[in-house]
Amino acid sequence: DAKTTQPTSMDCAEGRAANLPCNHSTISGNEYVYWYRQIHSQGPQYIIHGLKNNETNEMASLIITEDRKSSTLILPHATLRDTAVYYCIVSPSYGQNFVFGPGTRLSVLP
Amino acid sequence: DAGVTQSPTHLIKTRGQQVTLRCSPKSGHDTVSWYQQALGQGPQFIFQYYEEEERQRGNFPDRFSGHQFPNYSSELNVNALLLGDSALYLCASSLRGTYQPQHFGDGTRLSIL
Repeated sequence: DAKTTQPTSMDCAEGRAANLPCNHSTISGNEYVYWYRQIHSQGPQYIIHGLKNNETNEMASLIITEDRKSSTLILPHATLRDTAVYYCIVSPSYGQNFVFGPGTRLSVLP
Repeated sequence: DAGVTQSPTHLIKTRGQQVTLRCSPKSGHDTVSWYQQALGQGPQFIFQYYEEEERQRGNFPDRFSGHQFPNYSSELNVNALLLGDSALYLCASSLRGTYQPQHFGDGTRLSIL
C-alpha cells in the first residue's frame, strides 16, 4: 500500500497557484518525498523531490512540514498544460521501488 | 540527451500468447524498473534490474520475467497472456545508490483480445 494520502481531485483557475497537499505521517528519517505528474497517455514526469528542506526548481516548489508528516507541491502560475494526475511518493530506500497511490487529478480551468 | 525509450508504443495480442517489451534507459543510468498501469490506476511495481540481475520483485506471477543486457537496456516478457494483462507497461531508469529520481518512458500500451 502507498504510504501517502492525497485528495482525489482538485480544480485550479488558470494563472493562479495550485497547491497540492500530501500526507505521509509514517515517513522514515531517510525517506525522500518525490512528486511526479502524468499527463494522459504519457509516462510519469518527474517534478521535484526533497528530504526535509523546502525545494524549488523551474517547475514547482515543495514545502515539507517540520515534522515531515506532510508536504505541499506548489505550481506558482498554473496553465492548462498543468492538467494532469499528480503523484506524491515516499521512497523507501536507494532501490526506489516506488509505490504509487491513485494520485490527485488536477484540472486547470480557463 | 535521450531519455528513457520504450518499444513498441502499442501492441495487440490474444490470450495465451507471449510478448516482449523493450526499454533503453536514460544515458548514465544503470538500473531499470518495470511497472504495470491499469486504466485509471497508479503504476504498480513489477521488478527491478541492475547488474543484469533481478533485484526486487513486486506481487506479480512468474509469467512476468525480465532481462537486463550489458548496455543496461532491458526486456519485459509476459507468457500465457490473460485479458487482465491489458495495461500500460512503463519502464523507469535510475542510477543505483542515489536518491536521484527515476525517469520514466512513455510506456507500451498492451491490449489483449
